Order: sequence, then structure tokens, then C-alpha cells
Amino acid sequence: DAGVIQSPRHEVTEMGQEVTLRCKPISGHDYLFWYRQTMMRGLELLIYFNNNVPIDDSGMPEDRFSAKMPNASFSTLKIQPSEPRDSAVYFCASSHSWGNQPQHFGDGTRLSIL
Amino acid sequence: GDSVTQMEGPVTLSEEAFLTINCTYTATGYPSLFWYVQYPGEGLQLLLKATKADDKGSNKGFEATYRKETTSFHLEKGSVQVSDSAVYFCALILTGGGNKLTFGTGTQLKVEL
Repeated sequence: DAGVIQSPRHEVTEMGQEVTLRCKPISGHDYLFWYRQTMMRGLELLIYFNNNVPIDDSGMPEDRFSAKMPNASFSTLKIQPSEPRDSAVYFCASSHSWGNQPQHFGDGTRLSIL
Repeated sequence: GDSVTQMEGPVTLSEEAFLTINCTYTATGYPSLFWYVQYPGEGLQLLLKATKADDKGSNKGFEATYRKETTSFHLEKGSVQVSDSAVYFCALILTGGGNKLTFGTGTQLKVEL
């Protein structure tokens, strides 16, 4: 089975630019999570969806960040405008809803804002 | 609130040494417990899990036992290899918590020849 697919794997852009990160969850999974990982703050949950509906976005750092899930097989995390402090590795994960199922992670997008 | 506490790293061991990474949790209900591993440059991979008290999760020579009385889920391996060098995360999901994982801060393991 294909795992969680994220794109791009690496993104380097200048501050002020719009950045869009993409995620395709595992087919049949109805939960989708976006995380950010940095050395200073570790792994942070930004937002998660259930059946394409955002459930908790309390981890989104500020209004410059937005996330959408237009259908069960695709989600985006957008940063506009980007700032150097947004540089991090962004992970997407998905899981089934029945039982306490583990999350399956993508390989991440390494974002560098210059 | 729910939380997971892991031992500070980095942990440095020689190859074939015994490994223990301590993990304790605080939860209001009955969580399922997980260990994830992150190799350099990769995402987190599920290593093992346990869903109820006294369950033992095991995979790739690693094991951990869900101890409700001590609220612990310590990770152990009898003989580590250089290829086990990675960051290990302990995590929990609370039943009815929306499949949301609560992670520990991670423990870096370095195994040397």
C-alpha cells in the first residue's frame, strides 16, 4: 500500500512568498494531521481534520497559516506571507478513526525561508 | 491534561549494549501507547504499540510493556546495533480523543562501534 505522500520534499523560497505544502493521505484513512518539527520546539501539531472537516486548529501559529482538505485524498498547508521563522520540517500524517489507530507519517517537507 | 515524559537524550551506547528508554504518561482515561522512531531525514515510523494494561508491544527486537500501575511504557532492546541510531518518541492516544497523539519530546539514541 502507498503510504502518506507529501510534496515537495524540499522547498527553498524567499521571505514574503506564498508556500503551499501538499499531502495525500493513505486511502481509507479519515483523519489527517499536519505537524511542524524544529530543533527548538520539537514536534508540534498544527491542525487536524476528520472526514475533511477541520477539528482543531489551535496549533496553527498565526493567520499566515491556513490548511484545507477539499476531498478525502488531498490536503494543503499554506503559508502566506512566509517568514524565516517558518523554516522547519512539516509532516502530514493520517489514520483510521476506529479504535485508537496509530498515525502513519509522510516523509515530510523541509522548508527553508531565506 | 494528558502528557508524556521521556528521558533526556542523547543516549550513547556501544553496539550490542542493552537499551532502556524511559517513558511515563499522565492521562485522564485509558490510553493506547506507542513508540515511534525517526531516522535521520525521514518521517516518524510506528515501532510498536500496546492498547491495554499488561500488553507487550514488540518489533525488530524492541519491546515495551504497558504498566498501568506505574503509568509507564519503557522501551527496551537487548542488543542495539549502529543502525538503531535514531530519535525515539513515546506517544499516547486517549480513547475518545479524536485519534490525536500526545508525544513526548523524543530521545536521541546514538550507537557506536
